Amino acid sequence: DTGVSQDPRHKITKRGQNVTFRCDPISEHNRLYWYRQTLGQGPEFLTYFQNEAQLEKSRLLSDRFSAERPKGSFSTLEIQRTEQGDSAMYLCASSLKGALGSLAGDDEQFFGPGTRLTVL
Amino acid sequence: QKEVEQNSGPLSVPEGAIASLNCTYSDRGSQSFFWYRQYSGKSPELIMFIYSNGDKEDGRFTAQLNKASQYVSLLIRDSQPSDSATYLCAVFHVAHASGGSYIPTFGRGTSLIVHP
Repeated sequence: DTGVSQDPRHKITKRGQNVTFRCDPISEHNRLYWYRQTLGQGPEFLTYFQNEAQLEKSRLLSDRFSAERPKGSFSTLEIQRTEQGDSAMYLCASSLKGALGSLAGDDEQFFGPGTRLTVL
Repeated sequence: QKEVEQNSGPLSVPEGAIASLNCTYSDRGSQSFFWYRQYSGKSPELIMFIYSNGDKEDGRFTAQLNKASQYVSLLIRDSQPSDSATYLCAVFHVAHASGGSYIPTFGRGTSLIVHP
């Protein structure tokens, strides 16, 4: 399977615990995005990497959230001291810069299946 | 905070009809506009993108962009029950007033129901 993969698919944790999610993008894709989606809402942008560099992080994002993409391939998203409000689907997407043309923001993003987090 | 607004619906249309989905956005500097389809319990998948004012057609789908009115729409012709899903509008805009990368803001999506 050459699509975006995420692990685990489901995670149940107790409030206050730390959790880490992994995303493996499509192999030639240099951009990687993390989103959070709750029921009835669209994906909410969390952070964005181009290669190994984290270029943007949502200003609304708590400092309990951190993401890495150490070798420009897979990425991890860690949530420390989880809260019940962190319960959501966490989506990863990857894209290839310039794939749709030369216009800024020309990203056809391919989404992974998501990790559903439940904080008890 | 950049905003992308969509009517949550549901929009119900009979099979074979035209479904019209609308999206407005707040940032005049937005550069690119995407429509994604999301089936229940699944991840979003790209349907179309549009950069320039006017219409862009791809099969049964037509995207329309009016930057002056800050409005983008998606028309689905000959709607099929398999088109029943949530349609997400995504708009790329500069991350900060001082510059930075382009990042996407998604609307909450419009639920479309195509009934036989």
